[in-house]
Amino acid sequence: QSALTQPASVSGSPGQSITISCTGTSSDVGGYDYVSWYQQHPGKAPKLFIYEVSNRPSGVSIRFSGSKSGNTASLTISGLQAEDEADYYCSSYTSSSTLVFGGGTKLTVL
Amino acid sequence: EVQLVESGGGLVQPGGSLRLSCAASGFTFSNYWMNWVRQAPGKGLEWVANIKQDGSEKYYVDSVKGRFTISRDNANNSLYLQMNSLRAEDTAVYYCAKDLDYDNVWGSYNFDYWGQGTLVTISS
Repeated sequence: QSALTQPASVSGSPGQSITISCTGTSSDVGGYDYVSWYQQHPGKAPKLFIYEVSNRPSGVSIRFSGSKSGNTASLTISGLQAEDEADYYCSSYTSSSTLVFGGGTKLTVL
Repeated sequence: EVQLVESGGGLVQPGGSLRLSCAASGFTFSNYWMNWVRQAPGKGLEWVANIKQDGSEKYYVDSVKGRFTISRDNANNSLYLQMNSLRAEDTAVYYCAKDLDYDNVWGSYNFDYWGQGTLVTISS
């Protein structure tokens, strides 16, 4: 199972919006609405930010939103804040009843 | 408060074995699928395995099939990962992660709580 494809890095200024893409295949992202997004700060465990494409767990800011079209899922962060600077990973359920992560995207807030 | 505490990591020679443990508290352990996820130094996340509430179903990433075994002890709220025939590429921080959904027949593959991780280093 190959990792999902994410851009290595994205950047934006405070207050701006950014979008991180996550591309898979019809056997994972395109086949199921089981795409999640995690935020990870250096040296810390990942934190669930979006699940099942567009659902936010309790406590996650409404500035974070998710969507999916075909084999590509996206995470949009609006009103960028300094604390959003972190690594972001997408994940998807697969047709083999396994989970595959993306390679991760480093978000820099300029 | 939900807590997941991993232990058992360390330095092992290639071909060796190691058993990781994860002590869970703050939730009804027996009602959730549980997972192991690893992260090689400076690299991304890789899902390793999961196990159903009663241990009747287990799934693994291809790279560890036949070498790693996931298990659980619901009486002691513990999750385990037995790792055999270890390779240099198994070097990583191993996280224990709790599934989001309560009593889901199918794992949701969403992880709402993670442990702090335990480092496994495979080197001669």
